[in-house]
Amino acid sequence: EAGVAQSPRYKIIEKRQSVAFWCNPISGHATLYWYQQILGQGPKLLIQFQNNGVVDDSQLPKDRFSAERLKGVDSTLKIQPAKLEDSAVYLCASTTLRGLNTEAFFGQGTRLTVV
Amino acid sequence: AQRVTQPEKLLSVFKGAPVELKCNYSYSGSPELFWYVQYSRQRLQLLLRHISRESIKGFTADLNKGETSFHLKKPFAQEEDSAMYYCALRVSGGAQKLVFGQGTRLTINP
Repeated sequence: EAGVAQSPRYKIIEKRQSVAFWCNPISGHATLYWYQQILGQGPKLLIQFQNNGVVDDSQLPKDRFSAERLKGVDSTLKIQPAKLEDSAVYLCASTTLRGLNTEAFFGQGTRLTVV
Repeated sequence: AQRVTQPEKLLSVFKGAPVELKCNYSYSGSPELFWYVQYSRQRLQLLLRHISRESIKGFTADLNKGETSFHLKKPFAQEEDSAMYYCALRVSGGAQKLVFGQGTRLTINP
């Protein structure tokens, strides 16, 4: 099966600019996660969707970050305006809705550098 | 709140030596625990899950609810085991939030 697709792979922007990342999960996967991974740290969950509804966004900096998942398939994550500390790899992952111990499948990530 | 702790950021062992990567968790409910691995230039992928009680690439991990631990072990390390290893906890029920530890970089020396 095709994996989780993310684009772009790399992005360099200046602080205060805007940026958007795109994710296409595995077909049929109802749950979609966005993670932020700062260099040297583990993935930090930003937002979790179930179909097109948000089920957890407690760690999303809502003053500058937004995400949507139209029609319960593709998702976009936006940062506006970006800060230097947003430099990180942004990971998208998807998994099936039900079942114990189901595996999360990850995309390659988007490496964001804010200068 | 749910938390996963991996106390070692770096671990270096010689080829053929035993390996143990530590993971402790904090969660009041019934945990689902996983080990994910990221090899150089590859995406994060599942290594094993506690419910399966399986051995993958020679690695095993046992859930110890008394010590709230899920350490990853391999009796004889191989050079291809060099990678980043992340312990992860999924909260059961509801949102099924997936929380990761900080990761341990394992280096196997020849």
